[in-house]
Amino acid sequence: DIQMTQSPSSLSASVGDRITITCRASQTISNYLNWYRQRPGKAPEVLIYAASSLEGGVPSRFSGSGSGTDFTLTISSLQAEDFATYFCQQSYSTPYTFGQGTKLQIK
Amino acid sequence: QVQLEQSGAEVQKPRASVKVSCKASGFMLKDYFMHWVRQVPGQGLEWMGWINPKNGDTNYAQKFQSRVTLTRDTSINTVYMELRRLKYDDTAIYYCARRLPSIAVAGAYWYLDVWGRGTLVTVSS
Repeated sequence: DIQMTQSPSSLSASVGDRITITCRASQTISNYLNWYRQRPGKAPEVLIYAASSLEGGVPSRFSGSGSGTDFTLTISSLQAEDFATYFCQQSYSTPYTFGQGTKLQIK
Repeated sequence: QVQLEQSGAEVQKPRASVKVSCKASGFMLKDYFMHWVRQVPGQGLEWMGWINPKNGDTNYAQKFQSRVTLTRDTSINTVYMELRRLKYDDTAIYYCARRLPSIAVAGAYWYLDVWGRGTLVTVSS
């Protein structure tokens, strides 16, 4: 199985801050990498697919980059609704594993 | 409106089985692969498997291979996840989710674009 490791596991920031979350795969996955946001008590929602493609309707403050084994999710200017947990997922091979999550909290 | 409606919370005893339903509205299930993902409350996401509702083909994570079955009833636009021989650590929220792009679209990149609200399954004696 491909292991996905996110860092940091938690992060404190303020509205308006720029933050970056990292996801590392245990083997190369090209750019078969998705990012999801999960607000408390809600189902996940996709933000980025294929490492850097923005899902329709997702604000442009979200961006993704990377290829191979190392990937990043950047939020350029945090909004209140962004304080949530973020997960990466590899869509390269089964089982389609997720990272352990990064909890973004208000400072 | 595209949405997935899941069945209600369940409480089951160890070694029992549970069957969770996921009814699609606003689109035809037979046009999309459907995935199941579970989440222990407060923890991470775990992929369980997918079903092609058009022909019934399935693919399961090896961890669940011997205990899970995904099925569908296209006449009522519904997919099901059955988990057998329940253990205490199967207590989790179970989500169904639609995969984009549709089955008819060739291409390798995919993601889960529409999710159900989740079904809490509690295993308790």
